[in-house]
Amino acid sequence: KAGVTQTPRYLIKTRGQQVTLSCSPISGHRSVSWYQQTPGQGLQFLFEYFSETQRNKGNFPGRFSGRQFSNSRSEMNVSTLELGDSALYLCASSLGFVDSGNTIYFGEGSWLTVV
Amino acid sequence: AQSVTQLGSHVSVSEGALVLLRCNYSSSVPPYLFWYVQYPNQGLQLLLKYTTGATLVKGINGFEAEFKKSETSFHLTKPSAHMSDAAEYFCAVGNQAGTALIFGKGTTLSVSS
Repeated sequence: KAGVTQTPRYLIKTRGQQVTLSCSPISGHRSVSWYQQTPGQGLQFLFEYFSETQRNKGNFPGRFSGRQFSNSRSEMNVSTLELGDSALYLCASSLGFVDSGNTIYFGEGSWLTVV
Repeated sequence: AQSVTQLGSHVSVSEGALVLLRCNYSSSVPPYLFWYVQYPNQGLQLLLKYTTGATLVKGINGFEAEFKKSETSFHLTKPSAHMSDAAEYFCAVGNQAGTALIFGKGTTLSVSS
C-alpha cells in the first residue's frame, strides 16, 4: 500500500513568487492535514481537510491556502513568497479523526527554499 | 488550548543504555498523545500513540510510553539504545474531532558506541 506522496520533493523559488505543493493521501484516507517545519518554529499546523472541507486552520497569514479534491488529493499554495517561508512542508493523512483511534501518517515532505 | 513541552532538546546516551525522552502536555480535554521519529531528510514516522485504554503503550522498535494523567506526562522509553535510534523525536497531542496535531519542539537523540 502506497504511503502519503508529496510532490515536488525539492524546489527553489524567488521572493514574491507563488508555489503549489501537492499531496496524495494513502488510498481510502479522507483526511489530509499540512504542517510547516522550520528550525526556529518547529512543526506548526497549517490546515486540515476532511471530505473537501477545511475543518481547521492554524495561525498563518492568508498567503497560505489549501484545498482538497473529491479524490482526497490536496494542494497547498503560498503566494507572494517570503524568505521566511523556506521550510519543509509536510502532508499527513488519516482515515478519520484522532478521537476514533485513527493513526496519522506523514509523507516525506516538500523542501521549499525561497531566495 | 493544548500544548506540549519536551524537556531537553538534546539527549545523549551510550549504546545499550536506557533511553528516556520526556514529554508533558496540557489539555483541557482527554488528550490523544503521539510520539513520532524523524530521521534526517525524511518525514515523520509514528512510534506509538495513546488514545484510550491501557496507559502503557508499546510501539515499534522496542519503544514504549506511559500515559500518566496525574503528572500530565507521556514519557518515551527504550530499555537499550541502538545506534540506529539516533534521530529527532517529537511528542504531539491531538485534538478531538479532528486530525490536527500540536507538536513539541523535539528532542534530538544521540547514541554513542
